[in-house]
Amino acid sequence: KQEVTQIPAALSVPEGENLVLNCSFTDSAIYNLQWFRQDPGKGLTSLLLIQSSQREQTSGRLNASLDKSSGRSTLYIAASQPGDSATYLCAVEKDSNYQLIWGAGTKLIIKP
Amino acid sequence: GAGVSQSPSNKVTEKGKDVELRCDPISGHTALYWYRQSLGQGLEFLIYFQGNSAPDKSGLPSDRFSAERTGGSVSTLTIQRTQQEDSAVYLCASSSLGDTGELFFGEGSRLTVL
Repeated sequence: KQEVTQIPAALSVPEGENLVLNCSFTDSAIYNLQWFRQDPGKGLTSLLLIQSSQREQTSGRLNASLDKSSGRSTLYIAASQPGDSATYLCAVEKDSNYQLIWGAGTKLIIKP
Repeated sequence: GAGVSQSPSNKVTEKGKDVELRCDPISGHTALYWYRQSLGQGLEFLIYFQGNSAPDKSGLPSDRFSAERTGGSVSTLTIQRTQQEDSAVYLCASSSLGDTGELFFGEGSRLTVL
């Protein structure tokens, strides 16, 4: 049974720092992995999607890596800003069966 | 539309009443998903539509929950005889299969059952 774990559960850093959020999964047979952002009272925003054949994806200050063999993904945020404060969720899709398995999220606070 | 639209954004109802939640996906997206997020818990998959058919309804928590999709577009999630444990944010997402599979979420419908 696929399980997704995100560490840490919460993180607070000063503005400007580079930071890494971690996501681990127990079954390496995945179709893709996605990182999402959730702002309070709002829906989810897809940040990056990494297909199983890919190693990383980049969008602006965000870089997500995927290492299937070790069951790990990291989300790197460069030069953090207060606007980056949100909960970040990773989700794994197994075998293109549309059902995502979600991590519990990392609540990120960027202090001005 | 430009994004996934859900209504109502907030719904307060009394225990035992029926509620309907609506999702209008991105135009042209064939796949539509319903998820539920309860307070302090992760996202829970409810049901998936491919076109108008629902190949997998296994996530629906009880027979009080049903969903339909018409015209390959708008979907309605219906909860009958609501219970307090149904209180949650119900999120809808759509994607265009044949693409990368990226999901686009609506802002959710917050249901409170008193």
